[in-house]
Amino acid sequence: EAEVAQSPRYKITEKSQAVAFWCDPISGHATLYWYRQILGQGPELLVQFQDESVVDDSQLPKDRFSAERLKGVDSTLKIQPAELGDSAMYLCASSFMVENTEAFFGQGTRLTVV
Amino acid sequence: AQRVTQPEKLLSVFKGAPVELKCNYSYSGSPELFWYVQYSRQRLQLLLRHISRESIKGFTADLNKGETSFHLKKPFAQEEDSAMYYCALSGTDKLIFGTGTRLQVFP
Repeated sequence: EAEVAQSPRYKITEKSQAVAFWCDPISGHATLYWYRQILGQGPELLVQFQDESVVDDSQLPKDRFSAERLKGVDSTLKIQPAELGDSAMYLCASSFMVENTEAFFGQGTRLTVV
Repeated sequence: AQRVTQPEKLLSVFKGAPVELKCNYSYSGSPELFWYVQYSRQRLQLLLRHISRESIKGFTADLNKGETSFHLKKPFAQEEDSAMYYCALSGTDKLIFGTGTRLQVFP
């Protein structure tokens, strides 16, 4: 069964360093989401792609976060520089399209900033 | 603006008791509502969506546009239902989640 792949599963980085996360969505899924989930809270949408285009990044801290999906397939989320408050689970999800379809989630990358 | 509210962080019941997990939403158009579930050490996954109007694992949810609610219900809880439950709303361009409710079902 096809799954959304994320790497790494765990990342520990020092404050002010750069960190990157990778996501490979299910083949054929045009919509890709990056969420941040702080412990005890629900997933917060950071950025949403439709193919290679960003359709929503209103909650992305653009001074330090960036995301790209160059060929409309896999995606990278980068943080530079990392801050202590960035410690969270970063989830990637994909869906065939936005409306009415199921979003499939990866296992996430747990980031700890020390 | 789109918003999903789940007022309860934790809901604890005994096996066999009825369960209702509350979800209220705010959206100016016609929303698509979903319930997602995360079992321990597993990925977040879809439980059910309002347009399919089906029962999954004994759970049902009815969209009440007048009360802007989409509560999740099950008449008899089972221990294996223990998990985090997230209500989600899909508007015209994005999918957002509530803060989640942890359901604990005691034997």
